[in-house]
Amino acid sequence: DAGVTQSPTHLIKTRGQQVTLRCSPKSGHDTVSWYQQALGQGPQFIFQYYEEEERQRGNFPDRFSGHQFPNYSSELNVNALLLGDSALYLCASSGWRGEIYNEQFFGPGTRLTVL
Amino acid sequence: QKEVEQDPGPLSVPEGAIVSLNCTYSNSAFQYFMWYRQYSRKGPELLMYTYSSGNKEDGRFTAQVDKSSKYISLFIRDSQPSDSATYLCAMSGDNTDKLIFGTGTRLQVFP
Repeated sequence: DAGVTQSPTHLIKTRGQQVTLRCSPKSGHDTVSWYQQALGQGPQFIFQYYEEEERQRGNFPDRFSGHQFPNYSSELNVNALLLGDSALYLCASSGWRGEIYNEQFFGPGTRLTVL
Repeated sequence: QKEVEQDPGPLSVPEGAIVSLNCTYSNSAFQYFMWYRQYSRKGPELLMYTYSSGNKEDGRFTAQVDKSSKYISLFIRDSQPSDSATYLCAMSGDNTDKLIFGTGTRLQVFP
């Protein structure tokens, strides 16, 4: 059973460009969340997708947008890249199991460098 | 002030030591308290979670939550070199999956 997968592993872009990151959730999961982890910091919540809709959003500008497909996979798009967007972008998936806490499983991340 | 505060370390201990990792928080709405372990160049993996206050034990790991003090801890007994990683505390409230993370504490266990 494959866990959460993300592509690409690494990415280098220049300021002003646009980038698309991809995530495939763990088998059986229908909810995908995206986090940004700057160097030496904890992950920060960007947004969450469920049933192809954005369900929750963190404190990130509109330059950050996403999409979820019918097969539950997801994309994160960032427009007009800034140097400060350089970070590890983590995808986490979860699925309702009727328990008190539904664990979020994280992928290995995509490391984005903006020059 | 950040919602979740965590000492970034680094923390360096000898093999076999007891390690104590801590976080404080300010949002009284938090109900779920998690500890994640993150190895270099990997995504975080869940170690333990606790709902509301209390203690939880899993092998060498013990998590404690004191909601009255807004303070959570993770204890690692008989620490091993393989425990060397960054430990992240995370929290969330009811009816939300949004996790609020601390900055992470880097732990090194030397033989």
